[in-house]
Amino acid sequence: QVQLVESGGGLVKPGGSLRLSCTASGFIFSDYYMTWIRQAPGKGLEWVADISNSGSTKFHADSVKGRFTISRDNAKNSLYLQMNSLRAEDTAVYYCARDHGGGGSCPEYWGQGILVTVSS
Amino acid sequence: SFVLTQPPSVSVAPGETARITCGGITIGSNSVHWYQQRPGQAPVLVIYYDSDRPSGIPERFSGSNPGNTATLSISRVEAGDEADYYCQVWDSNTDHMVFGGGTKLTVL
Repeated sequence: QVQLVESGGGLVKPGGSLRLSCTASGFIFSDYYMTWIRQAPGKGLEWVADISNSGSTKFHADSVKGRFTISRDNAKNSLYLQMNSLRAEDTAVYYCARDHGGGGSCPEYWGQGILVTVSS
Repeated sequence: SFVLTQPPSVSVAPGETARITCGGITIGSNSVHWYQQRPGQAPVLVIYYDSDRPSGIPERFSGSNPGNTATLSISRVEAGDEADYYCQVWDSNTDHMVFGGGTKLTVL
């Protein structure tokens, strides 16, 4: 079955950096677009970034553009999110998700999420 | 940018039908997907491409997107359906994914 496991979260100071990882199993990773989505405490879902199955095409939300970078390593079945210049408002649970298969518009399978806390 | 508007809350008695709306300009020209999120859990896809149901999702869940407002309908509502529900589209004009603000479904 499809499994997505996030890691790399934790407490970081404002201005700091963190790299999230998502390890995938149960499907052919290189066949699917992947997505990062976050949820601030008590708030709704917010899209962060998308990456094509080959990794050649990437999209980032305006709120993170220039600070966060999505990437993937298909040989390692892994998705990444490099987060730089972190701000308090980046505090959230971060989910990685696998697309349904239609080309990147519909996250079908989600990991359990990893908490990132940005605080001094 | 694209904005999806959902009612903050919907309440329904057990056995009745809950309808959750998702409004936005030209939403009828975009495929809408719906997610259920129970407290403390990751979201689960319940409807994709306006009206398709993933395997394992009960037939009680259905969707429509005829024009400016998409609707998620849950018939014969059960206590276990109590959750937050989010609509979502991909805005091809900006290449951004957009979520609605979410609707809290309360089963009375």
